Amino acid sequence: DSGVTQTPKHLITATGQRVTLRCSPRSGDLSVYWYQQSLDQGLQFLIQYYNGEERAKGNILERFSAQQFPDLHSELNLSSLELGDSALYFCASSGQGFSNQPQHFGDGTRLSIL
Amino acid sequence: EDQVTQSPEALRLQEGESSSLNCSYTVSGLRGLFWYRQDPGKGPEFLFTLYSAGEEKEKERLKATLTKKESFLHITAPKPEDSATYLCAALDNYGQNFVFGPGTRLSVLP
Repeated sequence: DSGVTQTPKHLITATGQRVTLRCSPRSGDLSVYWYQQSLDQGLQFLIQYYNGEERAKGNILERFSAQQFPDLHSELNLSSLELGDSALYFCASSGQGFSNQPQHFGDGTRLSIL
Repeated sequence: EDQVTQSPEALRLQEGESSSLNCSYTVSGLRGLFWYRQDPGKGPEFLFTLYSAGEEKEKERLKATLTKKESFLHITAPKPEDSATYLCAALDNYGQNFVFGPGTRLSVLP
């Protein structure tokens, strides 16, 4: 058990809809990262927050947004969903920013767009 | 552009048959090279971090090594429970870009 909790585990919705994925980091970790994993693209970094502030941005679409709250949990919002957004979305946490500390991953949210 | 590649894409071994997985990276400086193991339906599990060329780290049947352009994950006398996808990731020197490779799917047959 990594200590990172993601909810829900599975989400099924339709094109055009909006969903929110939630992540609770390991106790004491200040950084939260979001990743998308699909069969054809592998694990892609989306965005990172550190202690409530955006720290780094990767290949995140404009339809996607995230935030980290004062209690350090984070939410990833996906809107105007398309079929191609179907993927596993992982959250990871570490003690600091993109430092040499390893990231610890949750077990992901599987998003299926019908 | 920062890039990480891994080979082979898939590897089947008999139990006890040692082998190595390769991770080649091109990043703007290297702050760290990370190895993860991922089981089906689970998130990646951290294995090692390597920081500089020549460094080696070991954990049970696994040993990771690092050169200036690539890293190897050596698996000695593997067991079926070592079957998983092994991912490597490179962190650039600015600490801003964390790039994963596509992974190597390892199957160890009893």
